[in-house]
Amino acid sequence: QQQVKQSPQSLIVQKGGISIINCAYENTAFDYFPWYQQFPGKGPALLIAIRPDVSEKKEGRFTISFNKSAKQFSLHIMDSQPGDSATYFCAASDFGNEKLTFGTGTRLTIIP
Amino acid sequence: DADVTQTPRNRITKTGKRIMLECSQTKGHDRMYWYRQDPGLGLQLIYYSFDVKDINKGEISDGYSVSRQAQAKFSLSLESAIPNQTALYFCATSDPVWGGMSFGPGTRLLVL
Repeated sequence: QQQVKQSPQSLIVQKGGISIINCAYENTAFDYFPWYQQFPGKGPALLIAIRPDVSEKKEGRFTISFNKSAKQFSLHIMDSQPGDSATYFCAASDFGNEKLTFGTGTRLTIIP
Repeated sequence: DADVTQTPRNRITKTGKRIMLECSQTKGHDRMYWYRQDPGLGLQLIYYSFDVKDINKGEISDGYSVSRQAQAKFSLSLESAIPNQTALYFCATSDPVWGGMSFGPGTRLLVL
């Protein structure tokens, strides 16, 4: 049973464009939604996270949009750069529990 | 120095062999995790430990065992390796205050 569904599996965006990755969750107990960025040969690294008390969180070019009623959240990367090329994972947990359930990942490629 | 280290970084073994993957952390976190990453499946939780005396099974614990030797050390063992355990293995710790999870660099395991 996959509790966090992520799409698309892969994404190609031109430099300067907006990259959008979507996730949907099933467990209404989830209240912590981080995004992780992974470069080849490296472990995932926390990029940005949101709690459900806000609908949007922005950090530089990265924005999480959160829709509690639809049980969906998304990552937007503005002005995408070649250095953003990586695999992105959404995740969710019950904050007190901290066992993250991960999406299946999106391989993002930014082309010049 | 890295906060979460894993040894070995790469390992090739044969079916039926017992192997151990080791993880050490200098973050002072009580909570440690072992995840497995397979292409298209994201990261799946194998085992987790919330303190030295606490060990819990994750989603895919069959065929694996763990040992929490100290707050800083958490080892994963494959008692009798099989080819479908070929994967990338990550150790992680989490901060109970802000909920962020820090991953090690991973161990790439190939079972022939």
